[in-house]
Amino acid sequence: SYELTQPPSVSVSPGQTARITCSGDALPKQYAYWYQQKPGQAPVLVIYKDSERPSGIPERFSGSSSGTTVTLTISGVQAEDEADYYCQSADSSGTIEVFGGGTKLTVL
Amino acid sequence: QVQLQESGPGLVKPSQTLSLTCTVSGGSISSGSYYWSWIRQPAGKGLEWIGRIYTSGSTNYNPSLKSRVTISVDTSKNQFSLKLSSVTAADTAVYYCARAPAAVAGDHPMDYWGQGTLVTVSS
Repeated sequence: SYELTQPPSVSVSPGQTARITCSGDALPKQYAYWYQQKPGQAPVLVIYKDSERPSGIPERFSGSSSGTTVTLTISGVQAEDEADYYCQSADSSGTIEVFGGGTKLTVL
Repeated sequence: QVQLQESGPGLVKPSQTLSLTCTVSGGSISSGSYYWSWIRQPAGKGLEWIGRIYTSGSTNYNPSLKSRVTISVDTSKNQFSLKLSSVTAADTAVYYCARAPAAVAGDHPMDYWGQGTLVTVSS
């Protein structure tokens, strides 16, 4: 079965840049999406189509893609950005959606 | 503003069938081009995609759950539903419903989510 691989945790100090990676064999041909989830809340879409930002999402959130890896970058991290982040994409057929295991972002 | 709301029993006995409904408000479930999805999350763990139904009624399921899952839509009630049979304690999780636009091939972000509902499998 298809898998997306994320680091379990990333830690940064306020004001620094956080980078969260997601790797998967089908990422060169399928778009990736990123979701932010805070405790007790539903996930919120923060990046779609690899690098597009939905309205209402702060500009400090950005996404990029290179080969089999996509990256969520949060510039000038704020305390409120502390959350779990999940990547999501489809398998090579495009019919099965998969989530990465999630990355816990800790703001020191 | 589209809103999704999950509903259903919070407690299901082992071997029985889990049934949940997602009610969509702020738009018609049958208009436009959308995937209507179910996702679950066991306590302290990550998100797992269960499956989806397209506006036309076609479905896709997670291969690991496919033998036990049925997703259907009731356009008259603006709802879509999840049935998961032969449940065990491993199916205990918060279950979310979500919408994903499907108008653009290959681009299906889950842009609206329900708040989630906890289902516990226990005797």
